[in-house]
Amino acid sequence: AQTVTQSQPEMSVQEAETVTLSCTYDTSESDYYLFWYKQPPSRQMILVIRQEAYKQQNATENRFSVNFQKAAKSFSLKISDSQLGDAAMYFCAYRRASSGDKLTFGTGTRLAVRP
Amino acid sequence: EAGVTQFPSHSVIEKGQTVTLRCDPISGHDNLYWYRRVMGKEIKFLLHFVKESKQDESGMPNNRFLAERTGGTYSTLKVQPAELEDSGVYFCASSQWGGAQETQYFGPGTRLLVL
Repeated sequence: AQTVTQSQPEMSVQEAETVTLSCTYDTSESDYYLFWYKQPPSRQMILVIRQEAYKQQNATENRFSVNFQKAAKSFSLKISDSQLGDAAMYFCAYRRASSGDKLTFGTGTRLAVRP
Repeated sequence: EAGVTQFPSHSVIEKGQTVTLRCDPISGHDNLYWYRRVMGKEIKFLLHFVKESKQDESGMPNNRFLAERTGGTYSTLKVQPAELEDSGVYFCASSQWGGAQETQYFGPGTRLLVL
């Protein structure tokens, strides 16, 4: 069975600084997808970034980028130039490449942004 | 385009009572998922519909939980009778059917508290 581990329950970053959230996973599959979702307080969970396992290039979305290390089964999220609006719960998730398959989530990391 | 909606946003019931949660997916999305997050733990998969059919219900905790998706549109998740351990946030997500790159879009969740 696949598992996802987020070892940092809480993180804090100064506004405009950079922060990295960690995620490791375990799977025997060779093809899969990895995701970072963000849930701001009392708001909807939204997709931040996704990574296809078959792609060696790390995904980026504006200030958000990932460091995908397939051999190490590591998938960290880097937030550059942190903003107050980045304060949220961040969930790392895994999905097999099969269409329609479920997401497997980590326990989440709560990110606080200090003004 | 309207996102995934869930009703109610909060529900407080007593042990032994019945509660029904509703999810309206994004129009045209054949895939509908239910997930649950118990306080402080990971978000766990409950079940997956493709249109009106249950594709995977391996995450349903027990037979006190009944999910339906009549006509392949909205879905309901009924808990009867509710127990204390059913407390948590119930999320619904939907996605289009169409290949391995599909993205799941989440609703705001229903916060259930069983007293």
